[in-house]
Amino acid sequence: ETVMTQSPATLSVSPGERATLSCRASQSVSINLAWYQQKPGQAPRLLIYGASTRATGVPARFSGSGSGTEFTLTISSLQSEDFAVYYCQQYNSWPLTFGPGTKVDIK
Amino acid sequence: EVQLVESGGGLVQPGGSLRLSCAASGFIFGTYWMTWVRQAPGKGLEWVANIKEDGSDKYYVDSVKGRFTISRDNAKNSLFLEMNSLRAEDTAMYYCVRDSYRFFDYWGQGSLVTVSS
Repeated sequence: ETVMTQSPATLSVSPGERATLSCRASQSVSINLAWYQQKPGQAPRLLIYGASTRATGVPARFSGSGSGTEFTLTISSLQSEDFAVYYCQQYNSWPLTFGPGTKVDIK
Repeated sequence: EVQLVESGGGLVQPGGSLRLSCAASGFIFGTYWMTWVRQAPGKGLEWVANIKEDGSDKYYVDSVKGRFTISRDNAKNSLFLEMNSLRAEDTAMYYCVRDSYRFFDYWGQGSLVTVSS
């Protein structure tokens, strides 16, 4: 099983600042990596797939990078609606696995 | 507009059974893999099972193998999850999800399953 880890667990950021979230895989997942955003009481929303491709309707301030075992989600200028929990997910091998999440909250 | 609407959740005793349903609309259901993902209260996301477009292939996370069965009815645009021998650790919100090459592009709002005596 590919174990996904995310850091930090919580990231406190001021509106307008840049946020950088990390995701690490226990073995290579190539670029088969997705990012999701989840707000309280809501279902997750797909942000990024293929490590760096934004999903339909996702603002350009969200960008993904990385390959192999190290990945990054960057939010260039945090808006109020971006405060949420972010999960990474690998889909390179079975079972499909998610990271534990990074909570982005208001500083 | 893609819509996924789950139903069938509720309170069940340990060892009991429950069947979740998901009604899909807004896309050609029979051309997509479909998935169930769950989230225990206050916890992260866990992939549970998925099923190929025609139902011929199915995959499960180890913790539910032999207890849960995923199925679909393409004529009725519906996805199902039959859950047997339920345990307290199965308590979670269960999401019906459209599977796009193993990542998940559309999610339902979820159906809550609580396993408790």
